[in-house]
Amino acid sequence: DTAVSQTPKYLVTQMGNDKSIKCEQNLGHDTMYWYKQDSKKFLKIMFSYNNKELIINETVPNRFSPKSPDKAHLNLHINSLELGDSAVYFCASSPDSNRGYTFGSGTRLTVV
Amino acid sequence: QQQVKQSPQSLIVQKGGISIINCAYENTAFDYFPWYQQFPGKGPALLIAIRPDVSEKKEGRFTISFNKSAKQFSLHIMDSQPGDSATYFCAATTSGTYKYIFGTGTRLKVLA
Repeated sequence: DTAVSQTPKYLVTQMGNDKSIKCEQNLGHDTMYWYKQDSKKFLKIMFSYNNKELIINETVPNRFSPKSPDKAHLNLHINSLELGDSAVYFCASSPDSNRGYTFGSGTRLTVV
Repeated sequence: QQQVKQSPQSLIVQKGGISIINCAYENTAFDYFPWYQQFPGKGPALLIAIRPDVSEKKEGRFTISFNKSAKQFSLHIMDSQPGDSATYFCAATTSGTYKYIFGTGTRLKVLA
């Protein structure tokens, strides 16, 4: 009964490949997010969705495309992977815009 | 103006001591200030949060002190334990913006 679950936990892939990360929350929250944590552990917003609608796209390259088929799911597809995309990607959800987030356990993406 | 400055970068405390982590912000529109705790290989977990109409909030051994005029807030961990060893992030957000601005993190080590 994990609250926010991400798959896969680890992803190792070659440059130029396309990959997807899936996220599901069972908390009934309206808002979902993707955050990127770099090698220095800095957390930066990538996308925010509220009731399946894109609210924030924080200057993320077009190679990253989120999709929210319903309020409980937010997936992230990445095209033409680059070395610089290597990071830990966290999905999170919250009841609304200024309440605490519940984070997933992260997907460590390594591009070789 | 969107930054949240966090210090120190790392902190070593003896068991039973007090750990203090500080954050400062510029944007006076911020109205929610959470703290997150992250263990290696895990997602950040909400620890405690405060809104600017309150100067202090305590939950167990964790206390947030908030100074609105100085635009600073801090996390105090009383009676620090080895199990508290983790990375701590402060954050700030404004209602309706659907994103947190995170501090750069503080790696806390509590010696047994």
